[in-house]
Amino acid sequence: KNEVEQSPQNLTAQEGEFITINCSYSVGISALHWLQQHPGGGIVSLFMLSSGKKKHGRLIATINIQEKHSSLHITASHPRDSAVYICAAPGRGSQGNLIFGKGTKLSVKP
Amino acid sequence: NAGVTQTPKFQVLKTGQSMTLQCAQDMNHEYMSWYRQDPGMGLRLIHYSVGAGITDQGEVPNGYNVSRSTTEDFPLRLLSAAPSQTSVYFCASTPRGTGHQETQYFGPGTRLLVL
Repeated sequence: KNEVEQSPQNLTAQEGEFITINCSYSVGISALHWLQQHPGGGIVSLFMLSSGKKKHGRLIATINIQEKHSSLHITASHPRDSAVYICAAPGRGSQGNLIFGKGTKLSVKP
Repeated sequence: NAGVTQTPKFQVLKTGQSMTLQCAQDMNHEYMSWYRQDPGMGLRLIHYSVGAGITDQGEVPNGYNVSRSTTEDFPLRLLSAAPSQTSVYFCASTPRGTGHQETQYFGPGTRLLVL
């Protein structure tokens, strides 16, 4: 079974700061997912990546396959970025299902 | 497209009652899944389906049943509710059968309280 660990669990930042959230997994994967859970509870997919880096607006996701590690960066953070960020990786022998990390709760203060 | 819809948004049950959580998607997605989210834990897979007529168990299937008679609908049945099933339930879908290699589309969630 793939183990997915996120750090930190909680993160408080001032508006404008550069933010990094980390994710490590134990089993080699085909794709790693980053998701955002809004304060209201809804979950949206941010990125799916299997190598290198992806960028969408102020969000950047990177992955190092050899080290089994991924990071989510937020540049010029804003209070509207406050949310729980979740990474997920395929479970071993799981027929395509995902194992989710416990999430990182981000709070950006104005 | 409405995307993935779930009903009800919130439900209170008494121990021993049964109910069905509804999930529907209008994107013609093959893969659908049910997760539960509990405080301090990651989303955990309950049941999933890779297509109409095909379902399988996930990590925490006990106490739940599913069926997939159409591509659009994937209801989750609680057979005899227990307080341990108090949770927030999310339905998700992906276009093809390989869920882990595709973008996940989530429903808004159903908050269930079992007394």
